[in-house]
Amino acid sequence: GAGVSQSPSNKVTEKGKDVELRCDPISGHTALYWYRQSLGQGLEFLIYFQGNSAPDKSGLPSDRFSAERTGGSVSTLTIQRTQQEDSAVYLCASSLGTENEQFFGPGTRLTVL
Amino acid sequence: KQEVTQIPAALSVPEGENLVLNCSFTDSAIYNLQWFRQDPGKGLTSLLLIQSSQREQTSGRLNASLDKSSGRSTLYIAASQPGDSATYLCAVSNQAGTALIFGKGTTLSVSS
Repeated sequence: GAGVSQSPSNKVTEKGKDVELRCDPISGHTALYWYRQSLGQGLEFLIYFQGNSAPDKSGLPSDRFSAERTGGSVSTLTIQRTQQEDSAVYLCASSLGTENEQFFGPGTRLTVL
Repeated sequence: KQEVTQIPAALSVPEGENLVLNCSFTDSAIYNLQWFRQDPGKGLTSLLLIQSSQREQTSGRLNASLDKSSGRSTLYIAASQPGDSATYLCAVSNQAGTALIFGKGTTLSVSS
């Protein structure tokens, strides 16, 4: 693919439901990142994957948030028991390696009612 | 904790002007610095990446500089155009290179 893709582009859910957000990185990129962008907080780092190394989960705001990356490619961010404060745009990025330029996807806009 | 500040928060200029956007960061132990633009309702577009050992990078009408010791970067836009109107974000990588820490951005409006 030409760039990072994310799905769905929009997700509306009810408080308490679980949601899954998907990211397809640029082919060949070994590093993958999740961020979220909200009006009050700006852009915040959530989690980082690099090859087969243990992920850096230091940005995850609570244990309701988890992510996995299967086969070193596609990644899924899961939010359990969603809360209204989880409403934000969730952005995925990938890069060739940690020292390289990060390229972002279009994001998933999550609205929790 | 690394903090990134961008000044000004908003800027309006007439077409053709040269302009400078400022970014400062509190911890000089960075891996690299990246400038992005974001159009309303869209994702981020990478503009320039400066490694911590570099002083500047250029791409077309854009020039970014980095002074790591003083914790500052500037993005210079020459001969601004209405199509340059967007929010410009500065981000520094933590020392491990595992995360970008973003400023709040400068929203630029270029009038024709």
